[in-house]
Amino acid sequence: DIVMTQSPDSLAVSLGERATLNCKSSQSVLYTSNNKSSLAWYQQKPGQPPKLLVYWASTRESGVPDRFSGSGSGTDFTLTISSLQAEDVAVYYCQQYYSIPPDFGQGTRLEIK
Amino acid sequence: EVQLVESGGGLIQPGGSLRLSCAASGFNFSNYWMHWVRQSPGKGLVWVSHILSDGTNATYADFVKGRFTISRDNAKNTVYLQMNSLSAEDTAVYYCARALADYGENYFDDWGQGTLVTVSS
Repeated sequence: DIVMTQSPDSLAVSLGERATLNCKSSQSVLYTSNNKSSLAWYQQKPGQPPKLLVYWASTRESGVPDRFSGSGSGTDFTLTISSLQAEDVAVYYCQQYYSIPPDFGQGTRLEIK
Repeated sequence: EVQLVESGGGLIQPGGSLRLSCAASGFNFSNYWMHWVRQSPGKGLVWVSHILSDGTNATYADFVKGRFTISRDNAKNTVYLQMNSLSAEDTAVYYCARALADYGENYFDDWGQGTLVTVSS
């Protein structure tokens, strides 16, 4: 199984500042058929189901604000929120979908400083 | 509008069984793989099981193998999770989620609201 590890476990950032969340996979999740990494990011707010933000490591889901961006390839990935808004307080999960089981990272809790 | 609506959760005694349902609408259900993901109170997301679009194959997390069975009825646009031999460790909110997965796109672009399963005596 591919193990997904996120860092940090929690992060406090001031409003309007940049937030950087990291995710590492225990092996490459590069899908050779399209040369893209099989890595997704989800946002989960309290009492709500997760919401897809980014897939193929850097493709933003429709309707997601452009302050959210994903980057990285192979085994190391980053979700960046360019200017933190109050509504971005949530837990963020990365997930690899390269192989079964499509496991998640343990999550990063993002708070306002 | 895509909708996934889970039902069937509740309080069950250890060793008991429950069947969860997830009713889908607003999209071509038979084109999608369907997944179950669970989240224990205060914990992270854990993948449980998935079933292919035509129902011919299913896969399970090791911790539910032999106890849980996923199935689907494409005529009813519904996916099920039969859960047997439940223990306290199975207490969680269970979400269903869909994935197109035709060309490796096995990410979950829509999720249900979840149904809570509590295993307790």
